[in-house]
Amino acid sequence: DAGVIQSPRHEVTEMGQEVTLRCKPISGHNSLFWYRQTMMRGLELLIYFNNNVPIDDSGMPEDRFSAKMPNASFSTLKIQPSEPRDSAVYFCASSYGGNQPQHFGDGTRLSIL
Amino acid sequence: AQSVTQLDSQVPVFEEAPVELRCNYSSSVSVYLFWYVQYPNQGLQLLLKYLSGSTLVKGINGFEAEFNKSQTSFHLRKPSVHISDTAEYFCAVSDYNFNKFYFGSGTKLNVKP
Repeated sequence: DAGVIQSPRHEVTEMGQEVTLRCKPISGHNSLFWYRQTMMRGLELLIYFNNNVPIDDSGMPEDRFSAKMPNASFSTLKIQPSEPRDSAVYFCASSYGGNQPQHFGDGTRLSIL
Repeated sequence: AQSVTQLDSQVPVFEEAPVELRCNYSSSVSVYLFWYVQYPNQGLQLLLKYLSGSTLVKGINGFEAEFNKSQTSFHLRKPSVHISDTAEYFCAVSDYNFNKFYFGSGTKLNVKP
């Protein structure tokens, strides 16, 4: 089992640029979650999908953030335009749903200059 | 809605000493409970989970937790810690509908030699 795979591991870019984070969930998992982790706010759920359909995006901070899941094996989180306050570690997690625990990727450390 | 409180943001302890990391939750419905560990520059890993049955749950790396419904607590314990247990620990709760997880703010365990 390859686990949840996120790319890139690190991203440094200038404010105003578009940023795309990628996630490949564990094969067979039907739920996918995007989190943001910062020192100030801790771990925040941004959005989650069930069977590729967005179920709850109430955690998405603003319209600059968008997420897609075109198929069961791929999801993206996009920030356009990026701002310095978006700097954080972004985690993707997946699960079988129901009462099954979430499995996390190693995260993308994003720095917006 | 559910919420999770981890009262201790940091817990320093000497190697081979026992440790307890506290977690309290609030919920109007029955819940599932989880403890995750996060090592530096990594994603969260599942330590243990309580779904039903015995209130004492044993997890990996010698950790265990006890579900106390009357006190709405799910404290994590280890009788003898190692330097390698130094990490941040997160308590999480999800409801029976399992729409999403609610994470606590985390407790940083610092094991000293």
